[in-house]
Amino acid sequence: EEQLVESGGGLVQPGGSLRLSCAASGFTFSTYWMSWVRQAPGKGLEWVANIKQDGSEKNYVDSVKGRFTLSRDNARNSLYLQMNSLRAEDTAVYYCARDRSYGFWSGYNYYNNYYIDVWGKGTTVTVSS
Amino acid sequence: DIQLTQSPSFLSASVGDRVTITCRASQGISSYLAWYQQKPGKAPNLLIYGASTLQSGVPSRFSGSGSGTEFTLTISSLQPEDFATYYCQQLNSYPRTFGGGTKVEIK
Repeated sequence: EEQLVESGGGLVQPGGSLRLSCAASGFTFSTYWMSWVRQAPGKGLEWVANIKQDGSEKNYVDSVKGRFTLSRDNARNSLYLQMNSLRAEDTAVYYCARDRSYGFWSGYNYYNNYYIDVWGKGTTVTVSS
Repeated sequence: DIQLTQSPSFLSASVGDRVTITCRASQGISSYLAWYQQKPGKAPNLLIYGASTLQSGVPSRFSGSGSGTEFTLTISSLQPEDFATYYCQQLNSYPRTFGGGTKVEIK
């Protein structure tokens, strides 16, 4: 069974740091882009960041740029999110997720489309004094 | 950033009803759109990708359509297990934004 299990959440003071981990199993982790998506209490989903298979490319939402760092260890089938300078607005459930891509032809042009097909159960981060 | 506007944000319907949810993008995103279902306390679940392709294992009563800036998710005959919140997501460009969600409740 393809599975993602997050850990590392907890209560942290504003300005503090936390490192989230995501352990993947049941699939070849090193062949997929991976993402983090968060959800503040009672709010909608927010895409946070993703990382390429070899870690050479990373993308972040503006609100976390310079504060959060995404990394991965393919030998350990693990994804990490280092969160620094945490703010109250970072309080959320953080989901680890697997990105999928597929190619398709449109006329003479070939494109890649994407989606998220596997989600972890989430880990809760609370930033409060 | 591309903004996604879902409507309605709340929908009250009965079992057996046909339900349509709309997602409008602030700029064209071709077919780079996915739909997810989320139940309380659970992770989202993929329903549709590429705007209209049904994910394996998802019941055929779910369907998606649209391209460019306007997209719809349709549930042809609402079942008790479909009461949930539905989100669209654009994957055309970064950041890969989500719509605000549509909560489907029992009438």
